[in-house]
Amino acid sequence: GAVVSQHPSRVICKSGTSVKIECRSLDFQATTMFWYRQFPKKSLMLMATSNEGSKATYEQGVEKDKFLINHASLTLSTLTVTSAHPEDSSFYICSATSSGSYEQFFGPGTRLTVL
Amino acid sequence: GQNIDQPTEMTATEGAIVQINCTYQTSGFNGLFWYQQHAGEAPTFLSYNVLDGLEEKGRFSSFLSRSKGYSYLLLKELQMKDSASYLCAASGSARQLTFGSGTQLTVLP
Repeated sequence: GAVVSQHPSRVICKSGTSVKIECRSLDFQATTMFWYRQFPKKSLMLMATSNEGSKATYEQGVEKDKFLINHASLTLSTLTVTSAHPEDSSFYICSATSSGSYEQFFGPGTRLTVL
Repeated sequence: GQNIDQPTEMTATEGAIVQINCTYQTSGFNGLFWYQQHAGEAPTFLSYNVLDGLEEKGRFSSFLSRSKGYSYLLLKELQMKDSASYLCAASGSARQLTFGSGTQLTVLP
């Protein structure tokens, strides 16, 4: 149980385009989903916290107009990187947790490369 | 704010025991997680401590002292496959995780 999937696993796009990443909880209802970014050989940095049906809470320094997060259902959250630039190239990982639980279940990650 | 400190790198020999320390300063503390992460993969859950003391799970054990803001992960009978990055993460009041920089463990034959 407690499986989280991400799609796509890898994406390469041109500078200026937008990319959507999906995060799904497959066997539980995720009241809260988190989005992280990880640069090579660095730790995970929390970008935003997403609660189902409400606006995401962004961490300081993360542009909400550039990283659009939607959490429309209890099993799906999406992260859209708008007008991507090469510096947005990174490993994006989502995690999900259910109500009353502190454990987060991580998705397999999405490797984004912006050319 | 939150601050998590752990060593950057450690090396140990196959079959040995290694202890990875983590100190944290945080507000609204709701527990301490340890994750294992292999290169290019997502973190996998190892342990969660919210009360003081030692939690043992097979070859891995984790300890927490809330008063000292200190935790450690103990790995016994090291295997080559244990070579990975080990991430210490503190859970905040909103269940968000703040990760340390990770400790890259190399297990030598």
